[in-house]
Amino acid sequence: GAVVSQHPSWVICKSGTSVKIECRSLDFQATTMFWYRQFPKQSLMLMATSNEGSKATYEQGVEKDKFLINHASLTLSTLTVTSAHPEDSSFYICSAVLAGDTEAFFGQGTRLTVV
Amino acid sequence: GQQLNQSPQSMFIQEGEDVSMNCTSSSIFNTWLWYKQDPGEGPVLLIALYKAGELTSNGRLTAQFGITRKDSFLNISASIPSDVGIYFCAGQEGYGGATNKLIFGTGTLLAVQP
Repeated sequence: GAVVSQHPSWVICKSGTSVKIECRSLDFQATTMFWYRQFPKQSLMLMATSNEGSKATYEQGVEKDKFLINHASLTLSTLTVTSAHPEDSSFYICSAVLAGDTEAFFGQGTRLTVV
Repeated sequence: GQQLNQSPQSMFIQEGEDVSMNCTSSSIFNTWLWYKQDPGEGPVLLIALYKAGELTSNGRLTAQFGITRKDSFLNISASIPSDVGIYFCAGQEGYGGATNKLIFGTGTLLAVQP
């Protein structure tokens, strides 16, 4: 089956620094990738839709200047949390959609802790 | 952000019991999906439903897409300890590309006592 890999699986960073999370589709090309955020004991909330070669579409309330998304190739999207603060600590999950397909394949998630 | 109403919030059952959970929405979806998430992992797709009224099974799991397209339920029969986890419903408005974004339910925590 289709595999989506996130890196790193977990990261601890200091407040004020930036952190980059990668989402790769390992065995298929994904024209669209999605980034979700999940706080403890809560559901997944969509942050943004990432389309290869174009600007990401952000959901209401998500700061595009704080959460930078780059989808430079059909197999890689990156999320950069800029000037991270403790309230940004969360589980970040990406999903990728095979071009022309309807099923989304999820990565294993990245646990971000900002201290 | 938008969320779907999912119930119950949690269930604590004995091994062998059947489980039922449901999801409702104020808006219509073209696809309903059910996922299971283990701690520290991404969600894994269990069942996808594409047509109103559709009833689909996957082993001990059965799910139905409501006629109104605003609800869905998931049943797990003869539960086993490895069924433990958080179950999420998700609604999808479109059929391809950017419209594949998913709106997730609030989740049901399932605990199974051996």
